[in-house]
Amino acid sequence: ETGVTQTPRHLVMGMTNKKSLKCEQHLGHNAMYWYKQSAKKPLELMFVYSLEERVENNSVPSRFSPECPNSSHLFLHLHTLQPEDSALYLCASSQDSLLYNEQFFGPGTRLTVL
Amino acid sequence: QKEVEQNSGPLSVPEGAIASLNCTYSDRVSQSFFWYRQYSGKSPELIMSIYSNGDKEDGRFTAQLNKASQYVSLLIRDSQPSDSATYLCAVNSPISSGSARQLTFGSGTQLTVLP
Repeated sequence: ETGVTQTPRHLVMGMTNKKSLKCEQHLGHNAMYWYKQSAKKPLELMFVYSLEERVENNSVPSRFSPECPNSSHLFLHLHTLQPEDSALYLCASSQDSLLYNEQFFGPGTRLTVL
Repeated sequence: QKEVEQNSGPLSVPEGAIASLNCTYSDRVSQSFFWYRQYSGKSPELIMSIYSNGDKEDGRFTAQLNKASQYVSLLIRDSQPSDSATYLCAVNSPISSGSARQLTFGSGTQLTVLP
């Protein structure tokens, strides 16, 4: 247990569905992240929230929409996804997003888009 | 583009041997470096962080950093079958906008420790 929880752990959705992934951290950290991990590819940073500053990877499609209501909770809203979006979605948190950026990962959500 | 390169493996070592995992990075301004272990079907787990040139030891694990050569390595002594996993190298680097920084990950090296 890293102190970062994610729900659901598995999700199957059709291309017309709307769903949300939830992440919660119990570590008192100030930065949270969404990553995508596809087979045989490096972890890909999607979004960073750090002290209310949001940074996003410009290559992330608009069908992924993050929300960070406070420093402990992070959501990833999904709509009209494509089959190639099937992957493991990982949430991570760190004390801050600065120099000594030790990130701790949640267990991930395995997403399958049909 | 900032890159982190690792040998993809697979790397196989016999039980009790030393496993050596290597990583090179392209961004000269990087200041902090991390090794994560990821078991199949699980999320990455932080096992070592290193910020200064030289060696850092933690139990059976030793991280080595050489900033001049832009090289970081992980040694696992007395390897056990339970060490069989994919090892990810991560490098702290700036994001183009704002003050936040990101971890850039390598593709990982798959290690198998044979009983």
